Amino acid sequence: TQLLEQSPQFLSIQEGENLTVYCNSSSVFSSLQWYRQEPGEGPVLLVTVVTGGEVKKLKRLTFQFGDARKDSSLHITAAQPGDTGLYLCAGARTNAGKSTFGDGTTLTVKP
Amino acid sequence: DAGVIQSPRHEVTEMGQEVTLRCKPISGHDYLFWYRQTMMRGLELLIYFNNNVPIDDSGMPEDRFSAKMPNASFSTLKIQPSEPRDSAVYFCASRPPRTSAEAFFGQGTRLTVV
Repeated sequence: TQLLEQSPQFLSIQEGENLTVYCNSSSVFSSLQWYRQEPGEGPVLLVTVVTGGEVKKLKRLTFQFGDARKDSSLHITAAQPGDTGLYLCAGARTNAGKSTFGDGTTLTVKP
Repeated sequence: DAGVIQSPRHEVTEMGQEVTLRCKPISGHDYLFWYRQTMMRGLELLIYFNNNVPIDDSGMPEDRFSAKMPNASFSTLKIQPSEPRDSAVYFCASRPPRTSAEAFFGQGTRLTVV
């Protein structure tokens, strides 16, 4: 069974600070997704990475896929209270079929 | 598009009762997933369908759980009989064809079994 480990589990920072959260596995994935989930809502897709070493930017969020396609990171620059939420990564061995989700990083950004 | 629609949003039921959760996927999507989320176990995949056919139900915890997808626009997850340990948020998600495993989630059904 593939396992995705996310770290840290909890992160509380002040508005304006930078942060990085990690998603690691011993398995190789054909693609990896990052989602953000707010209380009372379902996860919302942020990005998909498919190529080893790929870097994608979404405003203040930077996503990187590891060269070996086993791990990924999410970096947020100048965090804002609106970034507060549960960040989940999910990996798929193939594009046809199921994804495995990590346990998530709960981020709190204080004003 | 309205997104994935789940009903009800909240369900409170007594132990032993039958519970049916409903999902309408995004039109044109050919994969449908049912997940369960708890604090202890995170987001767990219960079952998924491709073109209305169940592909993998290895995540269904017990025979008390069953899921159907009679057509491309509707799926149900049924628990009979329900138990307090089934209390969780249940999510339905759908995926369009020929994509990189991206999923679009509904808002979930919060189930409480007392």
